[in-house]
Amino acid sequence: KAGVTQTPRYLIKTRGQQVTLSCSPISGHRSVSWYQQTPGQGLQFLFEYFSETQRNKGNFPGRFSGRQFSNSRSEMNVSTLELGDSALYLCASSYRGVEYEQYFGPGTRLTVT
Amino acid sequence: AQKVTQAQTEISVVEKEDVTLDCVYETRDTTYYLFWYKQPPSGELVFLIRRNSFDEQNEISGRYSWNFQKSTSSFNFTITASQVVDSAVYFCALSVFSGAGSYQLTFGKGTKLSVIP
Repeated sequence: KAGVTQTPRYLIKTRGQQVTLSCSPISGHRSVSWYQQTPGQGLQFLFEYFSETQRNKGNFPGRFSGRQFSNSRSEMNVSTLELGDSALYLCASSYRGVEYEQYFGPGTRLTVT
Repeated sequence: AQKVTQAQTEISVVEKEDVTLDCVYETRDTTYYLFWYKQPPSGELVFLIRRNSFDEQNEISGRYSWNFQKSTSSFNFTITASQVVDSAVYFCALSVFSGAGSYQLTFGKGTKLSVIP
């Protein structure tokens, strides 16, 4: 069974630009969640999508958005990038939701200069 | 609001020693779920265990064991006879209901475990 895949693995962007990250969940999983990991703040929940609907959103500004497609693949978009957005962005998938076992991808390392 | 505290930022042990990673959580909900995840140097978080708030039975899986105590809001993780492969960052997490059929997940800051050969 293929695991969670994330593309790209590494990304360098300039302040003010926007970025789109992609996540392909494990086949059959309908829940996809996104997390931001930084040395200072640790792992923070961004949002969860389930069957194309955003079920929950963490405490992040509106610059952070996402969507989920009918095949459960998900994208996360960050607009007007700031230096503080530099982080490892992790995607996780689950059959039922964040209250159950989640499988994580390798992450996308975003550097904003 | 929910909170997970892992007071130990870094721990170093010599191989074959036992080590306990502490996790204290805060929530007003009576139904919640607790997790431990492992993040090895490669970066991918790996699920270790899930426990619901109504099940206080301790669990053992090989060299790993977990002690859940609601009275002290703790969910501690013990590795017996540690091995170098156990070196990783370990995260404790709490999931509580946030309305509209969905849950939120809060992670602790993590404990970095180094097992020295």
